[in-house]
Amino acid sequence: DGGITQSPKYLFRKEGQNVTLSCEQNLNHDAMYWYRQDPGQGLRLIYYSQIVNDFQKGDIAEGYSVSREKKESFPLTVTSAQKNPTAFYLCASSIARGQGYEQYFGPGTRLTVT
Amino acid sequence: GENVEQHPSTLSVQEGDSAVIKCTYSDSASNYFPWYKQELGKRPQLIIDIRSNVGEKKDQRIAVTLNKTAKHFSLHITETQPEDSAVYFCAASLEGDSNYQLIWGAGTKLIIKP
Repeated sequence: DGGITQSPKYLFRKEGQNVTLSCEQNLNHDAMYWYRQDPGQGLRLIYYSQIVNDFQKGDIAEGYSVSREKKESFPLTVTSAQKNPTAFYLCASSIARGQGYEQYFGPGTRLTVT
Repeated sequence: GENVEQHPSTLSVQEGDSAVIKCTYSDSASNYFPWYKQELGKRPQLIIDIRSNVGEKKDQRIAVTLNKTAKHFSLHITETQPEDSAVYFCAASLEGDSNYQLIWGAGTKLIIKP
């Protein structure tokens, strides 16, 4: 089932290396989001974008960066400044940013940094 | 800011029985409350939502109730079936002039025993 895709499914990196997670959607959605999911915790927002060339920090943006050069794509870079990067990362999109718009999630990328 | 607490973290019920998951929120300004279901290895998907101008909403075997005074809302699943086994997330939205963000609960793992 397409719509919103993330790659790769599993990613392994050495400490100190930057890594970029891919997120692509063909739903023609304006808004896109990146979440981090840790065991026993709710989804925490890293960054979101309402429109191309615009993005805003979420609750836990430190150590992460994003870009939104195309409507379809919202890649997330996990930098070496992120102190605890090992986690499950979910990308989502919605028609627009606002109340009542369902967020469609990608399958996620599990990042392990050693 | 808004905080959402979800209980219990794990719920085990016999097939055919009912299941209830509860969430409380801290900001009385929140007025949109969606529930997402995440099956094992799959992405979260919206299953039902409620706005603060409504006290209850039903969709077949699932229902959500909202108590604005007490600032809590609950997911009710009746006649549970094996396919109901999943992690359920509640969320609350805080809509301001220029900000919109879903605040998520930590999730409830629902186990349906045959």
